[in-house]
Amino acid sequence: SQQGEEDPQALSIQEGENATMNCSYKTSINNLQWYRQNSGRGLVHLILIRSNEREKHSGRLRVTLDTSKKSSSLLITASRAADTASYFCAGIQGAQKLVFGQGTRLTINP
Amino acid sequence: DVKVTQSSRYLVKRTGEKVFLECVQDMDHENMFWYRQDPGLGLRLIYFSYDVKMKEKGDIPEGYSVSREKKERFSLILESASTNQTSMYLCASSSTGAGYYEQYFGPGTRLTVT
Repeated sequence: SQQGEEDPQALSIQEGENATMNCSYKTSINNLQWYRQNSGRGLVHLILIRSNEREKHSGRLRVTLDTSKKSSSLLITASRAADTASYFCAGIQGAQKLVFGQGTRLTINP
Repeated sequence: DVKVTQSSRYLVKRTGEKVFLECVQDMDHENMFWYRQDPGLGLRLIYFSYDVKMKEKGDIPEGYSVSREKKERFSLILESASTNQTSMYLCASSSTGAGYYEQYFGPGTRLTVT
């Protein structure tokens, strides 16, 4: 079962612009994580936000969480070509089980 | 540097063959996971393991089995490969500890069943 649904499915922007991706989830979560996947590779953990947090920053990343709306957003500021990748949100179910959304494919154009 | 390795990046097998996908982690993690990734479907959990010799079904276990004889190694077995098992297979591991939920992924194995 899919926990998160990302929006948009694909996003193309110019280098230097900000990129915003949204995630909606269905059931209660303890925390929500965002991962990045470069083409044909494994996933890399970006950031985790706990259910009692509303916003979190890490470098050029800003994540928000609205538990009342069951939604999260990932903002990448001042995008770079190297940010081109797919981005997934994932919610924790139970002790350690992650349930992923379908992902947003981000393309940064030079 | 933490590391999860998978035995093959690309694999081509014939229908009906028994296929073994191996995953090894060097972080002494208790938890290990196998996912498959398909376009439009995201990552789906096949099996996971919280400890040696322990396994639990994920969302799509049909047609698969797993083995965890040692803490660092988690194997995915396709008993009789079928074309609908053509996919990207990703292994991951994580630590059991308060607040430790990050999963570390291997590079993936792209399996083609013909």
